[in-house]
Amino acid sequence: NAGVTQTPKFRVLKTGQSMTLLCAQDMNHEYMYWYRQDPGMGLRLIHYSVGEGTTAKGEVPDGYNVSRLKKQNFLLGLESAAPSQTSVYFCASSLDGGLVEQFFGPGTRLTVL
Amino acid sequence: RKEVEQDPGPFNVPEGATVAFNCTYSNSASQSFFWYRQDCRKEPKLLMSVYSSGNEDGRFTAQLNRASQYISLLIRDSKLSDSATYLCVVNLGDKIIFGKGTRLHILP
Repeated sequence: NAGVTQTPKFRVLKTGQSMTLLCAQDMNHEYMYWYRQDPGMGLRLIHYSVGEGTTAKGEVPDGYNVSRLKKQNFLLGLESAAPSQTSVYFCASSLDGGLVEQFFGPGTRLTVL
Repeated sequence: RKEVEQDPGPFNVPEGATVAFNCTYSNSASQSFFWYRQDCRKEPKLLMSVYSSGNEDGRFTAQLNRASQYISLLIRDSKLSDSATYLCVVNLGDKIIFGKGTRLHILP
């Protein structure tokens, strides 16, 4: 099992460009999450999904959109990238919400110039 | 008071020593607690869950004090490989809060 994978691993964007980050999990987990991690800020939840076809806002959703068309995939979109979105993005999944372990992907390092 | 607070460190500890750090939480309705470990430029990974009765896994012991609203992590006989950032995680039921982490450096 690959666990949770993320594509791409690194990306540099110019302000105003768009991109999509892909997260895939092969553990048949219902819950999936997108976090961003910035120095001194810890992990902050952007959006999450409790099942195929559902999405919900987290703590810092502005400037991001998500989709969960298939249970194993969770996409994070940036429509018009801004320098403030420079960060490390982690995807995670869990069998259930909150009471069990979250499994994280290796992260995507995004720089917006 | 912040929802989850940790001493950012770094804790510089000689190899073989015992080290402990705490994490305080503000919401008394918090339901479950975890310690995650994050190596430099890597993803967080679950170290251990924290149960009301406390739990131990080898050199690691986690405890919960609901009255004072904190959880603790004790590492005995520390190894160089224990150097990492340790994240406290609190589940409030409707959301999960990650602490900012405590950095631990084990010195040879």
